[in-house]
Amino acid sequence: DTGVSQDPRHKITKRGQNVTFRCDPISEHNRLYWYRQTLGQGPEFLTYFQNEAQLEKSRLLSDRFSAERPKGSFSTLEIQRTEQGDSAMYLCASSLSVTGGLEFYGYTFGSGTRLTVV
Amino acid sequence: SQQGEEDPQALSIQEGENATMNCSYKTSINNLQWYRQNSGRGLVHLILIRSNEREKHSGRLRVTLDTSKKSSSLLITASRAADTASYFCFYQFYFGTGTSLTVIP
Repeated sequence: DTGVSQDPRHKITKRGQNVTFRCDPISEHNRLYWYRQTLGQGPEFLTYFQNEAQLEKSRLLSDRFSAERPKGSFSTLEIQRTEQGDSAMYLCASSLSVTGGLEFYGYTFGSGTRLTVV
Repeated sequence: SQQGEEDPQALSIQEGENATMNCSYKTSINNLQWYRQNSGRGLVHLILIRSNEREKHSGRLRVTLDTSKKSSSLLITASRAADTASYFCFYQFYFGTGTSLTVIP
């Protein structure tokens, strides 16, 4: 297992188009997270899954954003009707949550998908 | 916003000196983590400290946690040029604002 993989690495799209990103987490990890990061800022939480269940969504995740994790394995993040303000690095991370929801290990992040909306 | 705040925003030191970064967070926590991000690269987990721990060491890293003050600090000893990066505290789902560290050779 080589860590968290994200695809594509870069995406340039025209305003108004839909885009979909994929994340493949570490196979033993039961939690998967999506973050967004703009230049000079810390990552902003978007949403997370425990297995296939989406347990929390940030208010940042507007109706144009949807995430899925079918079968509790890979995840997709779709942005509909993209806007220039959606330009950012989209990061995926995974972690292992043990009994009681406690994590004793850190998150493993992928290299991200850089989205540019023109 | 649940985002934590880090201090200082930027820090520039000479190689061999120690670097200290502080994080203030806003909620109760199970643990607090620190991450490093090199320019244009991904986030790398450095260390995790649980809420019932007060201090933890890992190599040249020392982390403290004061849950009564909702604060944590990261100390990097004997800094190297390769330590140049942004450092973020992380708790629950939220990252701090980050400290940009520059180590001058």
